[in-house]
Amino acid sequence: GAVVSQHPSRVICKSGTSVKIECRSLDFQATTMFWYRQFPKQSLMLMATSNEGSKATYEQGVEKDKFLINHASLTLSTLTVTSAHPEDSSFYICSALRSAGNNQPQHFGDGTRLSIL
Amino acid sequence: AQTVTQSQPEMSVQEAETVTLSCTYDTSESDYYLFWYKQPPSRQMILVIRQEAYKQQNATENRFSVNFQKAAKSFSLKISDSQLGDAAMYFCAYRSGETSGSRLTFGEGTQLTVNP
Repeated sequence: GAVVSQHPSRVICKSGTSVKIECRSLDFQATTMFWYRQFPKQSLMLMATSNEGSKATYEQGVEKDKFLINHASLTLSTLTVTSAHPEDSSFYICSALRSAGNNQPQHFGDGTRLSIL
Repeated sequence: AQTVTQSQPEMSVQEAETVTLSCTYDTSESDYYLFWYKQPPSRQMILVIRQEAYKQQNATENRFSVNFQKAAKSFSLKISDSQLGDAAMYFCAYRSGETSGSRLTFGEGTQLTVNP
């Protein structure tokens, strides 16, 4: 089956640090990847849509300079939280969509728990 | 814009019993897909079942089945013979079939507890 690897699974760092999260599709090509943020006991909130070889599309209210997204290949997208602050602490999840077929489901990574001290 | 509503923040069921989780959605599109995802405490997102809107037959995956009522825009999930491992947050999700690579729109989620 389709596998998406997200790394790291847990990050604890000091305020002001930039943190990079990787999302890889291991056995399929993903033209489109999605980045979500999830607060405890809440639903997934889409932050941005990442398309290979082009700029990401950010949802309203998401700062693109704060959350940098790069999708340089068909198997890798990265989310960098720049100058992270305690309010950026959250659970971040990526998902990937197979390039072939419009009826393919999204495949999710296992998420990254980010804690900013 | 499409919206997905799950009106049951919490549900509970006895082990081996059946439970139904509700989901309604709003869309003006005719071509779309509906999904149920399970998120256990590990927070992995696990696809439980999917339904293509053009299919009249309700999707079934082992103990999981859906009741898809297109006219009513309802998409409920039935879990039969509930097991302790079914305890999780369940999210209903919508995806357009008219736009390539389109996003998922999630409901608020239903926290399911399975009592032994």
